[in-house]
Amino acid sequence: DGGITQSPKYLFRKEGQNVTLSCEQNLNHDAMYWYRQDPGQGLRLIYYSQIVNDFQKGDIAEGYSVSREKKESFPLTVTSAQKNPTAFYLCASEDIYSNQPQHFGDGTRLSIL
Amino acid sequence: DAKTTQPPSMDCAEGRAANLPCNHSTISGNEYVYWYRQIHSQGPQYIIHGLKNNETNEMASLIITEDRKSSTLILPHATLRDTAVYYCIVRAYSGGGADGLTFGKGTHLIIQP
Repeated sequence: DGGITQSPKYLFRKEGQNVTLSCEQNLNHDAMYWYRQDPGQGLRLIYYSQIVNDFQKGDIAEGYSVSREKKESFPLTVTSAQKNPTAFYLCASEDIYSNQPQHFGDGTRLSIL
Repeated sequence: DAKTTQPPSMDCAEGRAANLPCNHSTISGNEYVYWYRQIHSQGPQYIIHGLKNNETNEMASLIITEDRKSSTLILPHATLRDTAVYYCIVRAYSGGGADGLTFGKGTHLIIQP
């Protein structure tokens, strides 16, 4: 099946640790995105990437980092500099040349121990 | 991207049509109206999108007013599985450029048995 896979579904982190969330897509999409969602709120854009080896900050990039070494993969690292990392993280991808919608993964829920 | 306004919550009886309104009075001529829904603890699911003509697919119908300042998403025969938060988003076709989606708080649709 074509789609977006996020792993793990649940993740726990001790304070002061960096943690990396995985996002893989087999849709051959050029663009990939990371969003954060807090309870009762809409999604907010963290980072996005249009092509391999290139990415741009979104609205709330502080405390996060990304890489895009392969077209299929766009991992997100939540660093110790992120003061309130507990949230639901969603990855999306998009074919930006065809006016088709963004597709989302099922998310990773990150909690601080 | 233009801002949207949606009611925070709505109820609908199972088997009836659910009509979800969205105001987007500042929409630009090149901006599309997209609808997504999110079931608790899952990623957003694309439903439908349109520019100015009414659209229908297997999930729903989208009715856009002639002045394009508002739209209505119609779920023709709501089931309990349609209980979710529904997001109305306006966005221009990027034509090859990546761009994040701007999510508001959406409408929490509750289907009553």
